[in-house]
Amino acid sequence: KAGVTQTPRYLIKTRGQQVTLSCSPISGHRSVSWYQQTPGQGLQFLFEYFSETQRNKGNFPGRFSGRQFSNSRSEMNVSTLELGDSALYLCASSRPGDSGANVLTFGAGSRLTVL
Amino acid sequence: DQQVKQNSPSLSVQEGRISILNCDYTNSMFDYFLWYKKYPAEGPTFLISISSIKDKNEDGRFTVFLNKSAKHLSLHIVPSQPGDSAVYFCAAGGGTQGAQKLVFGQGTRLTINP
Repeated sequence: KAGVTQTPRYLIKTRGQQVTLSCSPISGHRSVSWYQQTPGQGLQFLFEYFSETQRNKGNFPGRFSGRQFSNSRSEMNVSTLELGDSALYLCASSRPGDSGANVLTFGAGSRLTVL
Repeated sequence: DQQVKQNSPSLSVQEGRISILNCDYTNSMFDYFLWYKKYPAEGPTFLISISSIKDKNEDGRFTVFLNKSAKHLSLHIVPSQPGDSAVYFCAAGGGTQGAQKLVFGQGTRLTINP
């Protein structure tokens, strides 16, 4: 089955601009999470959506927002971009309700460079 | 507040030998722990997990050990192969973190030398 698809894979923006990233989860997966990866920081949790509702949010400023559509596809938006927002943004989907560990399946990521 | 830490940014191991990657955590409420592997230009892929009620889980060449009293887990890869060269992330979830949120370490870059 198709994996998690993220678009675009690479993009370059300038400070002050805004950006929208898209994520299509695995078919049947209703939970979508977003993570930011920067060198030396690992993966930092941004937020998680389930059934079009944000269920959990990380410690990021309000410039970072997201949403989920009825087909489980998700978008995240970053407004007023700063140099420090340059990172790999990873989307992951999972199928809540399975017992045991919450195993996330990640997409390949969207690499954002802010100039 | 780094709840999950991987103190070794990199590790180099000879092919065929054992690779041991370490991870420490501070939150005793975590319910489970996972290891992910990441190649360049790809997303992390799930390797193996362990519940907080167990102290060992094995899957082929990969074994994860959990020491709850020390708040420490490790991933053993035996024997190490060149294809194992990647960045490895440990992650923890459950407990007070809320549903569906994983807390990741900073990652350890493993290099397997032929």
